[in-house]
Amino acid sequence: DTAVSQTPKYLVTQMGNDKSIKCEQNLGHDTMYWYKQDSKKFLKIMFSYNNKELIINETVPNRFSPKSPDKAHLNLHINSLELGDSAVYFCASSQAVIGIPGAEAFFGQGTRLTVV
Amino acid sequence: GIQVEQSPPDLILQEGANSTLRCNFSDSVNNLQWFHQNPWGQLINLFYIPSGTKQNGRLSATTVATERYSLLYISSSQTTDSGVYFCAVGGKLIFGQGTELSVKP
Repeated sequence: DTAVSQTPKYLVTQMGNDKSIKCEQNLGHDTMYWYKQDSKKFLKIMFSYNNKELIINETVPNRFSPKSPDKAHLNLHINSLELGDSAVYFCASSQAVIGIPGAEAFFGQGTRLTVV
Repeated sequence: GIQVEQSPPDLILQEGANSTLRCNFSDSVNNLQWFHQNPWGQLINLFYIPSGTKQNGRLSATTVATERYSLLYISSSQTTDSGVYFCAVGGKLIFGQGTELSVKP
């Protein structure tokens, strides 16, 4: 009964393809996030949804589109994949918007995306 | 935006040694977390500690919010403590660059 689960764990695909990464949380949290970890292990927020509404949208190419069908799911769709998209993508969730007291974030196991 | 700096960037310890990792941040925050990224890439929550001191077994953490820093103490280190330790702060959970810890047997 993993709290935040992502699928797939590994994804190898060719340049130009479109792919999706799925994320589900069973913690009953209201807020979900996508983070990107680059080859130097630097982690940076990409998007955040609160109750299915987009609340954080960092400077990310519009080839990346998050979709939240309900507050327990936040999927990441990537169009026209490029070599530079290779990274580890982490999903996370928290009880409330981060920054509000008590809003501890919990992370999924990550999806290692390799674009060849 | 908030800047987060961690030190040292790398640390090699002999098993059984103690260590202190530091996280400085540039603005006041009401959220701070410490994570351990193990060699398999999992991000494990260590502490949610916007202020004060907490302890969990051999690990403890202290955040002095007014002085904008947090410390993570690891005592009697074990090889399983190896990995990267991150602090992250603020509304967007801004991460530091991490401290890569290697504990040798």
